[in-house]
Amino acid sequence: AQSVAQPEDQVNVAEGNPLTVKCTYSVSGNPYLFWYVQYPNRGLQFLLKYITGDNLVKGSYGFEAEFNKSQTSFHLKKPSALVSDSALYFCAVRAPARQLTFGSGTQLTVLP
Amino acid sequence: DTEVTQTPKHLVMGMTNKKSLKCEQHMGHRAMYWYKQKAKKPPELMFVYSYEKLSINESVPSRFSPECPNSSLLNLHLHALQPEDSALYLCASSQALTGGGSGNTIYFGEGSWLTVV
Repeated sequence: AQSVAQPEDQVNVAEGNPLTVKCTYSVSGNPYLFWYVQYPNRGLQFLLKYITGDNLVKGSYGFEAEFNKSQTSFHLKKPSALVSDSALYFCAVRAPARQLTFGSGTQLTVLP
Repeated sequence: DTEVTQTPKHLVMGMTNKKSLKCEQHMGHRAMYWYKQKAKKPPELMFVYSYEKLSINESVPSRFSPECPNSSLLNLHLHALQPEDSALYLCASSQALTGGGSGNTIYFGEGSWLTVV
């Protein structure tokens, strides 16, 4: 079985401050980990993924995520938040030969 | 911008109507997906097509009928839907599922907003 937990339904951060959106996972075998963002009334946009290699993954719009195998975490980070980053963020995991499993989502609000 | 195109963007249908949602991708992907998403919730997988053949049906009611006419097109035929079927329907695609395909990125369209009245 595979599962993803996003422990925070809502994250608020001031513009210009660093942001972190948390994600932990449970999977058998080596995980493939993904972050997606969904702006209001839009589809999901791919941000970044971890497959193998460097634990720090850089993605679109200045986002990055760090894969931590011992803590089974894949937290999304950005050094300086923008108001336009306000959106719904989904972490997802995929074990080999399995389909994508999404977390429950975290609503990020960046305050001006 | 997404390279998965979905039409229509909005659809209102009665419970006795028959309608279809359409999806097109030109990325050469050989896996295509339908997801259903309720507001503020994660997408739920409905169907997966691999090389134009239905690979996964997540126990979806028969009032939803998928079709993959060719490697670029995916349809979802709707008939006798219920109000609780109102949701955002997302089409997605990825490179082939086989040969380590689990690491392939799934790309989503903008979705079709469906309201059943």
